[in-house]
Amino acid sequence: QVQLVQSGAEVKEPGASVKVSCKVLGYTFTGYYVHWVRQAPGQGLEWMGWMNPNSGGTNYAQKFQGWVTMTRDTSISTAYMELSRLRSDDTAVYYCARQDGSGPSFDYWGQGTLVTVPS
Amino acid sequence: QSALTQPASVSGSPGQSITISCSGTSSDVANYNLVSWYQQHPGKVPKLMIYEGSKRPSGVSNRFSGSKSGNTASLTISGLQAEDEADYYCCSYAGSSTSVVFGGGTKLTVL
Repeated sequence: QVQLVQSGAEVKEPGASVKVSCKVLGYTFTGYYVHWVRQAPGQGLEWMGWMNPNSGGTNYAQKFQGWVTMTRDTSISTAYMELSRLRSDDTAVYYCARQDGSGPSFDYWGQGTLVTVPS
Repeated sequence: QSALTQPASVSGSPGQSITISCSGTSSDVANYNLVSWYQQHPGKVPKLMIYEGSKRPSGVSNRFSGSKSGNTASLTISGLQAEDEADYYCCSYAGSSTSVVFGGGTKLTVL
């Protein structure tokens, strides 16, 4: 069955970078865009960007441009999201999600990765 | 880009129907029929409930329906059940540069 399995929780110092992985199982990795969405504690969902696993092409939300990098390794069906220059307000659960069809239809999600940046 | 606008909370009694609105602009909701809705229970992963404005994924109850009028999309839940109590988020395509925008979320309370 389809699964997106994310890496474990991280604690990072302010100014550091974090790289979260998202390994997909049960479908052809290159056939579906992967999006990244984050959710700060007690807050709503915030879209960060997408990556086309086939071409490696990306599209980042304006807020994250120059700050986030989305990559992939097709040999192991894994997508990555790296966020640099971390601040305390980057503390959030980071999700990867598969886009099915047109538009933002995220039919499968990873379990989430909590990234904590102490203030 | 600005988030889509949703009411912070709505409530209803079991068996009733409720509607959650999602207000956007001509750059997103009004210009594309690509609104999706997500249900999120506390501590859980979001679940896709409606996509492309009004389509239901396999396995989602037909008590959930989506619609759009102008720059406002809506999610209607009929025959409210206790298990529907959750946060609901709308999401829209917003063009090739902005791409995707979420609403701020609505907390549904089943009284």
